[in-house]
Amino acid sequence: DTGVSQNPRHKITKRGQNVTFRCDPISEHNRLYWYRQTLGQGPEFLTYFQNEAQLEKSRLLSDRFSAERPKGSFSTLEIQRTEQGDSAMYLCASTLGTAGANVLTFGAGSRLTVL
Amino acid sequence: DQQVKQNSPSLSVQEGRISILNCDYTNSMFDYFLWYKKYPAEGPTFLISISSIKDKNEDGRFTVFLNKSAKHLSLHIVPSQPGDSAVYFCAAHARNTPLVFGKGTRLSVIA
Repeated sequence: DTGVSQNPRHKITKRGQNVTFRCDPISEHNRLYWYRQTLGQGPEFLTYFQNEAQLEKSRLLSDRFSAERPKGSFSTLEIQRTEQGDSAMYLCASTLGTAGANVLTFGAGSRLTVL
Repeated sequence: DQQVKQNSPSLSVQEGRISILNCDYTNSMFDYFLWYKKYPAEGPTFLISISSIKDKNEDGRFTVFLNKSAKHLSLHIVPSQPGDSAVYFCAAHARNTPLVFGKGTRLSVIA
């Protein structure tokens, strides 16, 4: 088990371009989360999936953002028409979704810089 | 509306002494509280958690205390080691809701 893998680790793009991030969770984990972290802030929840179903979306997830988890395995987060305010670290996490504390295992993140 | 607050952006402690990191919350529906540690260029890693029905949980050098009436929790690290230098995030969640994080406290352990 190699943990949660995220690609690319760093993406620099020009304003207005589209970008896509990929997350490969721990294989037996059925829940997958996307968070965003900006400088000086903690991770902020964006959305999560249980298997392939997207169960909750934050109000932070504008209509330029879309996330998918087509077969309940890997997930993609796409940002269309990027803006400078989208510059952040995008963190993916997964968990088994059992009762008790929701212990998420995070990937190393994908850093987006919008010029 | 910040539900989880870490009011100290940074803390500096000498090696071997106790580190105390504090966290306050506003949502009385939170069932579980967790602490994560983050090194540069890595994702947050889980450290320790506590259920709202307990007031203390200990794991080696790390102890978390929960005071529900004050809506306050703290993480104690003793003895502190240079390798503990990192950003520590307090997080909490209610049943079947996503984790909510504080802004973090940067701990520096000085040898």
